[in-house]
Amino acid sequence: QVQLQESGRGLVQPSETLSLTCAVSGASVNDRSYFWAWIRQSPGKGLEWIGITYYDGSSYYNPSLRSRVTISADPSQNEFSLTLTSVTAADTGVYYCARQGRFCTGGSCYTPFDSWGQGTLVTVSS
Amino acid sequence: QSVLTQPPSVSGAPGQSVTISCSGTSSNIGATYDVHWYQQHPGMAPKLLIYGNKHRPSGVPDRFSGSKSGTTASLAITGLQAEDEADYYCQSFDSRLSGSLFGGGTKLAVL
Repeated sequence: QVQLQESGRGLVQPSETLSLTCAVSGASVNDRSYFWAWIRQSPGKGLEWIGITYYDGSSYYNPSLRSRVTISADPSQNEFSLTLTSVTAADTGVYYCARQGRFCTGGSCYTPFDSWGQGTLVTVSS
Repeated sequence: QSVLTQPPSVSGAPGQSVTISCSGTSSNIGATYDVHWYQQHPGMAPKLLIYGNKHRPSGVPDRFSGSKSGTTASLAITGLQAEDEADYYCQSFDSRLSGSLFGGGTKLAVL
């Protein structure tokens, strides 16, 4: 059973860089069947897709964050990370790492977020 | 601002049925991209409830069902139970975003 665990600083100063790591167990970040994602949730709000990384090193980001975000994987540690620069109070929220899995049935395949970390609260404040 | 539009809240009595809609556009649901649904209890991570518009992962009761038609997807819950009280989110791929998009979420109250 795959498990994901976020770690990183919970308090970040405005204009600084947010850095989080997601440790993966029960699956490999090198497995070409999956994408590895970061998703966030502002207090009392809905979910926002930040971006994903793939085993080949490629990454895809939400256009609204693209200029500030980097997602990458470290196969040697079986983990992947999120870096978000120049943070403001609007970046406060719970950050989840997740696996975008692959379910195939009836001749079709689907890629929902099937496994999630417990989430980590990041507060941007001085 | 979510491009996938969900009602902010729905409610029902135990044993009753409710339906949550997820309205999209021609760049996501209407473009035949699949819809997935998640359940989130307070303080917990979201949990996959429905994938590929209508398929249930192992362990999800058959009281939960999904459907999609045109630019709208729906999640139906029958035989409401107290533990169904949670937030529900739809998710799809959006070609303009070139990535995943979530609905704004719907809070289900079991009265």
